[in-house]
Amino acid sequence: SSELTQDPAVSVALGQTVRITCQGDSLRSYYASWYQQKPGQAPVLLIYAKNNRPSGVPDRFSVSASGDTASLTITGAQAEDEADYYCNSRDSSGNQLVFGGGTKLSVL
Amino acid sequence: QVTLRESGPALVKPTQTLTLTCTFSGFSLNTNNMCVSWIRQPPGKALEWLARVDWDDDKYYSASLKTRLTISKDTSKNQVVLTMTNMDPMDTATYYCARTRRGYSFGFLFDFWGQGSLVTVSS
Repeated sequence: SSELTQDPAVSVALGQTVRITCQGDSLRSYYASWYQQKPGQAPVLLIYAKNNRPSGVPDRFSVSASGDTASLTITGAQAEDEADYYCNSRDSSGNQLVFGGGTKLSVL
Repeated sequence: QVTLRESGPALVKPTQTLTLTCTFSGFSLNTNNMCVSWIRQPPGKALEWLARVDWDDDKYYSASLKTRLTISKDTSKNQVVLTMTNMDPMDTATYYCARTRRGYSFGFLFDFWGQGSLVTVSS
């Protein structure tokens, strides 16, 4: 079982704002990174730590953290944002890395 | 340009040992804070981190699989090899290798991924 917990599915109306959360005790100590995966494709690094986005990632994606929860926010969701989203961080021991169970985002 | 490519058998029998090779270019595993991880994804399921080898040859494994996994690097060939023993049909998955960077300001991140290698375990 994953030490990082994500809601399995979330939906958002086109152009609206949605938050995807990732919860785990290790997030009190360690940064999270987020990955977007579209069907049939490898995951792609989306955003990490304190709103660091790789080149080409739109600024409608942002992250925040509070306590044991890291959040990915999409402001003005687009149809192309429909995908699976995974958080990753260290586990509570700090020695291994762990993924959340993933959140399937539907854009309606 | 950073690229990674996984190679290995598409089909293995139960109880056999799987050997996967990640061949990469565009970076060196001799560089401080550079690592390579293996990650897998069963069909329709979530990503699962398996193992990581660091620039200084430190190795880390998933707690649930560590007795079955071995990771190694060959910096002269720009390759990382993962072996997994005693394969089971539940190990059927797409196996990815990913460049992993470590940083004080961000922890760990997987910034480049291979396309993945589907491994089916079946007799």
